[in-house]
Amino acid sequence: QKEVEQDPGPLSVPEGAIVSLNCTYSNSAFQYFMWYRQYSRKGPELLMYTYSSGNKEDGRFTAQVDKSSKYISLFIRDSQPSDSATYLCAMKNTGNQFYFGTGTSLTVIP
Amino acid sequence: GAVVSQHPSWVICKSGTSVKIECRSLDFQATTMFWYRQFPKQSLMLMATSNEGSKATYEQGVEKDKFLINHASLTLSTLTVTSAHPEDSSFYICSARDRLGQGYGYTFGSGTRLTVV
Repeated sequence: QKEVEQDPGPLSVPEGAIVSLNCTYSNSAFQYFMWYRQYSRKGPELLMYTYSSGNKEDGRFTAQVDKSSKYISLFIRDSQPSDSATYLCAMKNTGNQFYFGTGTSLTVIP
Repeated sequence: GAVVSQHPSWVICKSGTSVKIECRSLDFQATTMFWYRQFPKQSLMLMATSNEGSKATYEQGVEKDKFLINHASLTLSTLTVTSAHPEDSSFYICSARDRLGQGYGYTFGSGTRLTVV
């Protein structure tokens, strides 16, 4: 079983839609949960960073962590064509090693 | 914010030659730098962790004699792919951890696409 599972998509939505991206994980020791956006042939860009359970909101983005279910989500409101990218979830415990999902490819259609 | 510069952004080399990739932290000192490899439609896989002034720690299955890592200063780490072969073609990404642990603390570079022909 992989440490982190993420549906690769692809996901295609019309402009203005709400997008829901999800990951599940198996290691209960994970405490830090991240979402990255990666454009083609570019490095990952940090979108959201959450410690432990709960919600975090930043503009159009909301990250949710449910440690009891080992499930994290990223919601994008009022999606824009510029949001088209691959979204990677990642998590870690107190050490330096990150565990990444495989990424979900998102296309927002104008 | 913290910036990590990675160079070159893409490189094509002949099979059997060596390629060096640089990773620089531009506005912070990086105690630790990380090297990842990403194949198409796959996740980032950690190859090695390097601490300034000491030998890198390689993940299982990564050949240390093939992927030479040097972390000579708090702002520069290099990855050299020696005797490159077509199967080494991939997207290589570095990440650096801020020595002072400011903010989030980890910043990724923009990646290097290596193609071995």
